[in-house]
Amino acid sequence: EVQLLESGGGLVQPGGSLKLSCAASGFTLSSYAMRWVRQAPGKGLEWVSSISGSGGVNTHYADSVRDRFTISRDNSKNTVYLQMSSLRVEDTAVYYCSKGHGGSWTDSWGQGTLVTVSS
Amino acid sequence: QPVLTQSSSASASLGSSVKLTCTLSSGLSTSIIAWHQQQPGKAPRYLMKVESSGSYNKGSGVPDRFSGSTSGADRYLTISNLQFEDEADYYCETWDSNTRVFGGGTKLTVL
Repeated sequence: EVQLLESGGGLVQPGGSLKLSCAASGFTLSSYAMRWVRQAPGKGLEWVSSISGSGGVNTHYADSVRDRFTISRDNSKNTVYLQMSSLRVEDTAVYYCSKGHGGSWTDSWGQGTLVTVSS
Repeated sequence: QPVLTQSSSASASLGSSVKLTCTLSSGLSTSIIAWHQQQPGKAPRYLMKVESSGSYNKGSGVPDRFSGSTSGADRYLTISNLQFEDEADYYCETWDSNTRVFGGGTKLTVL
């Protein structure tokens, strides 16, 4: 059974940094694309970033986070990361880790971790 | 960048059927989309992918009451014999080589 467990969320001041982790189990992490998707309070889903699988290292970012967020993976630890810097109030959201079906649709979701950016 | 359009809300009675629509932006009528369900206070859950041919493949454990279909640029999610637990937000998803997009979501109310 695929399981994705996010951690690292919390309260941070504007301009600060935070690193999210996603511990994966039930599948071979290195073979799959992984993504981060966020949901601001009362809003819909917003794709944040993707990293390719199958040994690739391609990364992609939404315009709203490019140059501030960095996605990475450590296949030996079965973990995906999202390093967030220069955080803004509008980055406040629940951040979900998700698994790709190849490079296509999302087929599994984590339970999410809340990031609150506030002074 | 692809765009997906969904109605903001829908409602139907317990035991009836409802058909939710996700419309792909111009030029994307051949694209695959995925449907996700988000019950109140929970994480999203993958339901199915729907292809331009109308064929669909559901995720593990998704009830038979859920089905998908296609007409042109529209991708549908049909839920039959509605249950109270189907009351949720439903999102469609698509992608291209560099980006990924979700529709704005449809809030389904079961009366």
